[in-house]
Amino acid sequence: KAGVTQTPRYLIKTRGQQVTLSCSPISGHRSVSWYQQTPGQGLQFLFEYFSETQRNKGNFPGRFSGRQFSNSRSEMNVSTLELGDSALYLCASSLTGGANGYTFGSGTRLTVV
Amino acid sequence: GQQLNQSPQSMFIQEGEDVSMNCTSSSIFNTWLWYKQDPGEGPVLLIALYKAGELTSNGRLTAQFGITRKDSFLNISASIPSDVGIYFCAGQLYGGSQGNLIFGKGTKLSVKP
Repeated sequence: KAGVTQTPRYLIKTRGQQVTLSCSPISGHRSVSWYQQTPGQGLQFLFEYFSETQRNKGNFPGRFSGRQFSNSRSEMNVSTLELGDSALYLCASSLTGGANGYTFGSGTRLTVV
Repeated sequence: GQQLNQSPQSMFIQEGEDVSMNCTSSSIFNTWLWYKQDPGEGPVLLIALYKAGELTSNGRLTAQFGITRKDSFLNISASIPSDVGIYFCAGQLYGGSQGNLIFGKGTKLSVKP
């Protein structure tokens, strides 16, 4: 079966712009989580969506938001981009959110210039 | 935010050697997970641990959930070149279907020159 698909794979944006990243989970998976990965901070949890509702949220400013659609696809949005937002953004899906079932996508590499 | 202390940060391996890495935390976790990440890809789950004291193997990999629930280790026996990559430990704070993963900073395995 198809894995977790993230688009686009690479993105270059200018400071102050906004960006939307997309994640298509494995078919049947209803939970989608987003993580930010940087060399300095490692993997940091952004938020989790389950059945179109945000169920859990990490410690990120309000510029970071997300949503989930009825087909479980999820998008995350970052507004007013800062240089420090440059990172690999990873999406993980699972059937219900249980950690053993998490499958990660390959990520979207965002560079803010 | 909460973090896991993962060590060593990096190590060089020679084919055939055994490798050991561990994670410690000041918090108790209900689940410990070990992931491997190759360049340009998302983390892939290697082993999941659910009970204090649990020892689980996956081929040449063995991991244990510490008795105190605050630590875990991963051993790789008879390493091979494809073991090169970054290994992450992760703990899940809550049980069942909810709860974000807290990741260690990773252990980078490289081949000894």
